[in-house]
Amino acid sequence: GDSVTQMEGPVTLSEEAFLTINCTYTATGYPSLFWYVQYPGEGLQLLLKATKADDKGSNKGFEATYRKETTSFHLEKGSVQVSDSAVYFCALRTPSGSARQLTFGSGTQLTVLP
Amino acid sequence: SQTIHQWPATLVQPVGSPLSLECTVEGTSNPNLYWYRQAAGRGLQLLFYSVGIGQISSEVPQNLSASRPQDRQFILSSKKLLLSDSGFYLCAWGTGTGFFETQYFGPGTRLLVL
Repeated sequence: GDSVTQMEGPVTLSEEAFLTINCTYTATGYPSLFWYVQYPGEGLQLLLKATKADDKGSNKGFEATYRKETTSFHLEKGSVQVSDSAVYFCALRTPSGSARQLTFGSGTQLTVLP
Repeated sequence: SQTIHQWPATLVQPVGSPLSLECTVEGTSNPNLYWYRQAAGRGLQLLFYSVGIGQISSEVPQNLSASRPQDRQFILSSKKLLLSDSGFYLCAWGTGTGFFETQYFGPGTRLLVL
């Protein structure tokens, strides 16, 4: 079945450090890929998405590129801020099976220290 | 613009008591609606989805049920709560068609069953 694997957290960085959160997937067909962010005590917000190979999603300084050859969708940001502290979820949807279901990774907790 | 509301924000209930969580969406018509559960330290699990009034699909067998009495209202219920029902419940609505749908999440309800 479909699955998403994220790097285990927690990840702790200093302000202005470079961030990478790894995400790899297993899926039938060519999925759409998403990154969601969950700030403390809140629901999930869509951060960015990509729907086909080599697409780059970007938002709020975050980027992720859909790499079909490595089945990856790593999240990056050049300079993190304290306000980026949150849990980040990678997710996918495939065109087969239940086209409505998002498959989520387990989440990566990011803490940015001043 | 579209907004999604969930209430209550937090709920503490005894084992064996009933449950009713409500989700409403504004600013869109005939949305796809979803209930997810996030257990502590884990990713999200899809519980139910609905593509229209009175149409409910269940993704996992469980102690919960869902109903959609109106176009933009989605209710999660239980007749008798179990300890294992504790978690963070997220409602989402979807825009777009099938594979290209993007899901947007509400603020969530934190349920603690004692």
